[in-house]
Amino acid sequence: DAGVIQSPRHEVTEMGQEVTLRCKPISGHDYLFWYRQTMMRGLELLIYFNNNVPIDDSGMPEDRFSAKMPNASFSTLKIQPSEPRDSAVYFCASRRQGDSPLHFGNGTRLTVT
Amino acid sequence: QKEVEQNSGPLSVPEGAIASLNCTYSDRGSQSFFWYRQYSGKSPELIMSIYSNGDKEDGRFTAQLNKASQYVSLLIRDSQPSDSATYLCAVFSGGYNKLIFGAGTRLAVHP
Repeated sequence: DAGVIQSPRHEVTEMGQEVTLRCKPISGHDYLFWYRQTMMRGLELLIYFNNNVPIDDSGMPEDRFSAKMPNASFSTLKIQPSEPRDSAVYFCASRRQGDSPLHFGNGTRLTVT
Repeated sequence: QKEVEQNSGPLSVPEGAIASLNCTYSDRGSQSFFWYRQYSGKSPELIMSIYSNGDKEDGRFTAQLNKASQYVSLLIRDSQPSDSATYLCAVFSGGYNKLIFGAGTRLAVHP
């Protein structure tokens, strides 16, 4: 069973550029989460989806951030325009219904210069 | 008050000792609790889940839950240098929807 797949693994971009992070959840998982991790703030929940529908985006820091889940096997997190303070590791995670735990992807390390 | 609180550490223990990691949470309605381990540069991986008051053992790991005190702990027996990592406590908030993580405790096991 393939785990959560994220791409790219590393992204280096210049301030002002658009960045798109991609995620394929585990098949059969109903929930998909986007987290951001930094040394200062730890692991922060940005947004989560249930059955492809965004449920809570209160963690999205600004309008520059947007996320979509067009189908059960694909989600994107977009930052436009990117800023140096967006530099972090972005994790996608998925889980089944109920109280099942999260399974994380390998993350995307984003560096904005 | 943060929803999930952990001491950031580092917690330093000698090889072979018991490492004790603690976590408190604010949502009294929380029912499900998880411990994740994260090695530097890697993603968090699940090591324990606990749902009922008391202890749950899995190999060298024991999770302890006290809902009345809103307290979860993780004991690692016979600590090994390979256990050196950051340990994240996670609690469901708002029912079984959002999983909220503590800031993590960094554990260092020295030979």
